[in-house]
Amino acid sequence: SQQGEEDPQALSIQEGENATMNCSYKTSINNLQWYRQNSGRGLVHLILIRSNEREKHSGRLRVTLDTSKKSSSLLITASRAADTASYFCATDPPGGSARQLTFGSGTQLTVLP
Amino acid sequence: DTEVTQTPKHLVMGMTNKKSLKCEQHMGHRAMYWYKQKAKKPPELMFVYSYEKLSINESVPSRFSPECPNSSLLNLHLHALQPEDSALYLCASSPKRVNSGNTIYFGEGSWLTVV
Repeated sequence: SQQGEEDPQALSIQEGENATMNCSYKTSINNLQWYRQNSGRGLVHLILIRSNEREKHSGRLRVTLDTSKKSSSLLITASRAADTASYFCATDPPGGSARQLTFGSGTQLTVLP
Repeated sequence: DTEVTQTPKHLVMGMTNKKSLKCEQHMGHRAMYWYKQKAKKPPELMFVYSYEKLSINESVPSRFSPECPNSSLLNLHLHALQPEDSALYLCASSPKRVNSGNTIYFGEGSWLTVV
C-alpha cells in the first residue's frame, strides 16, 4: 500500500520558475527522502530529511517536513529543462527490525524551455 | 552514473521462456532489492536480501525467483510470466537494511516485455 501521496500529480512550468511539490504520509516516520526519476531510467536520491528536522537545503533544492501534519514539500528553485522528471517521496518508518522505503505516487514535473 | 549495473537493459520473452535479470554492485552494500515499476506508477518492492539472505518477499508470485549468489550479485529468474508482468524491473542496494537514514542506490532498470 502507498504510504505517501503526492500532489500535484503533474506540474508544468517555465524555465526559471520555481516548482513546489508536496507529499503527505499516513504513519510515523524515521526519515523522508526525495528521489528523481528521468523517463525510463532508475531513481536518483536527492535529499533526506530526518523526522527531527524541519528544513533542509541542497543546491537548488529545499525540503521541508511537518511531522504534525505528516507532510513534506520539495521546492526546486530556478528550474531548468533538465529538471524535467518524476519526483517521488519515500518514507521509512521507525523500528529496529527490517523495514523498507515506501514510495509516494510521484509528481511528473515538466519544465518548458 | 549509477554504481548499480543491471543487464539486460531490454528483454522480450514469451510466456513459456525462462530468462534472468542480473544486477551487480561493488559498493560493499549488504542489502539488495528488486522493485517492479509500471508506467506512471511508483516502484513496488518485490524482494529484499540482507547479507545474502532473503529477508523480505512481498508476496511475489513464484514465477519470479530471486537469487543472491554473493554480496555483489543479485539475480531475478523469470519463468512462465504473464503479459501483465511487463514492466521496468529495478535493482537497488543500500549499505545495510533500510533503517535509519539509509539511501537506496538504484540501477537503470531492465525493461521487460512479455509477449
